[in-house]
Amino acid sequence: GAGVSQSPSNKVTEKGKDVELRCDPISGHTALYWYRQSLGQGLEFLIYFQGNSAPDKSGLPSDRFSAERTGGSVSTLTIQRTQQEDSAVYLCASSYGGYNEQFFGPGTRLTVL
Amino acid sequence: GENVEQHPSTLSVQEGDSAVIKCTYSDSASNYFPWYKQELGKRPQLIIDIRSNVGEKKDQRIAVTLNKTAKHFSLHITETQPEDSAVYFCAASIQGNTGKLIFGQGTTLQVKP
Repeated sequence: GAGVSQSPSNKVTEKGKDVELRCDPISGHTALYWYRQSLGQGLEFLIYFQGNSAPDKSGLPSDRFSAERTGGSVSTLTIQRTQQEDSAVYLCASSYGGYNEQFFGPGTRLTVL
Repeated sequence: GENVEQHPSTLSVQEGDSAVIKCTYSDSASNYFPWYKQELGKRPQLIIDIRSNVGEKKDQRIAVTLNKTAKHFSLHITETQPEDSAVYFCAASIQGNTGKLIFGQGTTLQVKP
């Protein structure tokens, strides 16, 4: 079946602009996660959704970052007033709840000029 | 919070040799330890995982060992092949909670033909 998809695959923006990144999880997966991967670094947890609720937002680096999930499916990560340090690959993953393997999407490469 | 340390950061081996990557974790409540392989420009893909009620797990040329007392786990790849060249990430999580993955910094494995 279809895996996790993300759009856009690449996004170049100017400092100070807002961006929205989209994640389509695997159908039926109740858990959805956002991670950030900076150049040459490991993956850093940002936020976790169970259904449409986000019980763990502890990884969001600042109040410029927000995310929502609707219909227990699609999620959008929004970064307001982007900064150069926001440049990274943003990865989304989904799973059948907090007990199971997480499947990753291809990521969105964000470049802030 | 949870922290995962991974060593070495780079590893170069001759084709046919074995490769070992080691990780330590800080949160004794962690009970799930996956390993992901990420090829250049691709999404992370799960290659093997182990839960805390098991000390070792093997899948063909890949094995993972877990020492709960010492809070460390290792990935062993035998008979390495050039296609094993990639970045490998270990992670730890608390299944049954959020299931969020805390990743190590990654190991770049190069298998020389």
